[in-house]
Amino acid sequence: QKEVEQNSGPLSVPEGAIASLNCTYSDRVSQSFFWYRQYSGKSPELIMSIYSNGDKEDGRFTAQLNKASQYVSLLIRDSQPSDSATYLCAVKGYSTLTFGKGTMLLVSP
Amino acid sequence: ETGVTQTPRHLVMGMTNKKSLKCEQHLGHNAMYWYKQSAKKPLELMFVYNFKEQTENNSVPSRFSPECPNSSHLFLHLHTLQPEDSALYLCASSQQSVAGNNSPLHFGNGTRLTVT
Repeated sequence: QKEVEQNSGPLSVPEGAIASLNCTYSDRVSQSFFWYRQYSGKSPELIMSIYSNGDKEDGRFTAQLNKASQYVSLLIRDSQPSDSATYLCAVKGYSTLTFGKGTMLLVSP
Repeated sequence: ETGVTQTPRHLVMGMTNKKSLKCEQHLGHNAMYWYKQSAKKPLELMFVYNFKEQTENNSVPSRFSPECPNSSHLFLHLHTLQPEDSALYLCASSQQSVAGNNSPLHFGNGTRLTVT
């Protein structure tokens, strides 16, 4: 059973702080990793993808991947209230995409 | 037109009703998916269609019946559902099926289904 684990939260951070979202996975052959953001009542939207160890930066977002430790994280710098949402981690092995339950992030003004 | 459109947005049905969910994508993608999202649970993959052919049926009960007449349209026919089937049903599309490539999923806004 392939599993993707996330802390359900909520993770509360003040505006302007760095939010750190973590995800661990069980399938060692996982190859691709994705972060989706889902606002309440809306559909998930892709915000980051990462395929190799290390950091990948895109604006205020940085994805970090450590395959040896089987974890992937998402850092959000200068957090804004508009970042308040549920963040879904998704991990792809050879053929299947497995989602975590998501972490709710609350950014307070 | 948004990329992936789902109708209806909300649906309330009794256990003896028959209804259908509709999904249409305007992205020129070749793969379409049905996912179920329940509270406190991860997204659950239900069905995958690649080039109109069903490539995955994730042990879904037969009271859910998918139909994919072409690469742009996907339906989910519902009959004799149970209250535990109440959930958000999300349609998604990607350039190609997830298997073997990294095409990201584009989701519709979902249908909030309540079975009474």
